[in-house]
Amino acid sequence: SQTIHQWPATLVQPVGSPLSLECTVEGTSNPNLYWYRQAAGRGLQLLFYSVGIGQISSEVPQNLSASRPQDRQFILSSKKLLLSDSGFYLCALASGYTDTQYFGPGTRLTVL
Amino acid sequence: AQKVTQAQTEISVVEKEDVTLDCVYETRDTTYYLFWYKQPPSGELVFLIRRNSFDEQNEISGRYSWNFQKSTSSFNFTITASQVVDSAVYFCALSEARRSSNTGKLIFGQGTTLQVKP
Repeated sequence: SQTIHQWPATLVQPVGSPLSLECTVEGTSNPNLYWYRQAAGRGLQLLFYSVGIGQISSEVPQNLSASRPQDRQFILSSKKLLLSDSGFYLCALASGYTDTQYFGPGTRLTVL
Repeated sequence: AQKVTQAQTEISVVEKEDVTLDCVYETRDTTYYLFWYKQPPSGELVFLIRRNSFDEQNEISGRYSWNFQKSTSSFNFTITASQVVDSAVYFCALSEARRSSNTGKLIFGQGTTLQVKP
């Protein structure tokens, strides 16, 4: 069965510091991978998606970036965090010919 | 543009009551998928159901049921005999059907917080 891991679970970072969030998946090959952010107030916003290694599409212009160095690894990064980057970051995958996205446990980021 | 509206921000019921969560969507596509997810306090989104635009049959799974009506662009979710464990935020979402130029991105509603009191 498919499993999604996200690391770390929680993170507190100062403004201006770099960021690296990792998402790894198991039990599937060549999945579509997604990064969503959920800010306070609950709405989920798609940030990036990837259909394969090295293929990244951005949905929202911002100071975040994403990379997919391996088939089952998806990384969210920033060179300098902003206060507005605080939120709950969720990684999701969709595999096969279905469009159902399954979500990981999330990373809660607080920027101070 | 695609849009999902969950007009109910918060709902509070007493255990064993039935409750319906509303979802209205907008899309110009003729082929699309609708979803419901549950987000318990732990934060992880749990998939509940997926419906494609060509299947308007209502679905029942235990205490959960879903009513899909294309005529009103609605996909409502009913919990029968609610329990305290049903307390969570519930999200309705929409995606286009996957095509070569599309990746099934999800458009979420703002969510409805359901509180079930004992």
